[in-house]
Amino acid sequence: DIQMTQSPSAMSASVGDRVTITCRASQGISNYLTWFQQKPGEAPKRLLYAASTLQSGVPSRFSGSGSGTEFTLTISSLQPEDFATYYCLQHNSYPPTFGQGTKVEIK
Amino acid sequence: EVQLVESGGGLVQPGGSLRLFCAASGFIFGEHYMDWIRQAPGKGLEWVGRIRNKPSGYSTEYAASVKNRFTISRDDSKNSIYLQMNSLRTEDTALYYCARSSTGWSNWFDPWGQGTLVTVSS
Repeated sequence: DIQMTQSPSAMSASVGDRVTITCRASQGISNYLTWFQQKPGEAPKRLLYAASTLQSGVPSRFSGSGSGTEFTLTISSLQPEDFATYYCLQHNSYPPTFGQGTKVEIK
Repeated sequence: EVQLVESGGGLVQPGGSLRLFCAASGFIFGEHYMDWIRQAPGKGLEWVGRIRNKPSGYSTEYAASVKNRFTISRDDSKNSIYLQMNSLRTEDTALYYCARSSTGWSNWFDPWGQGTLVTVSS
């Protein structure tokens, strides 16, 4: 199975900060990488797919990049509603596997 | 509006069985693959399995942790999928979500339902 490693596992940030989350795959996955946001008590919500394509309705402060084994999710200016846990997902091969999550908390 | 609603969760003893349901609306159900994903309390996300659509033969894929114990099926006439869970273990305790996927490789798991909670305990 392909292992997905996110870093950091948790972070504290302030409103307005630029936040970057990294996801590394144990082997190349082309751009079959999706990012999700999950708030407490809610289902995950897709933010980006194909590594860098913004989901309709998602604010443009979210962006993604990468290909192969290294990917990043960037929030250009953190907003109060962005405090949540973020997961990456590889779907280049079965089984699809998620990163362990990155919890973004208020500093 | 695309909507997925899970049901059927509950408390079951180890070794028991349970059947989960996912009702879909707001899109052409037969054009999509459907997945089950679970989340143990306080933990991350784990893909459980997939059922493809009729053109793809209703074929299925499963995570190794549930293979030969869980079975996914669908009824396109009812816009529904099902997860039959047998030989349940305490480690199967989780919130189970269904999610829609496209038939290609780029468009997976959007949207998700609200989940249904399965607790395996004696």
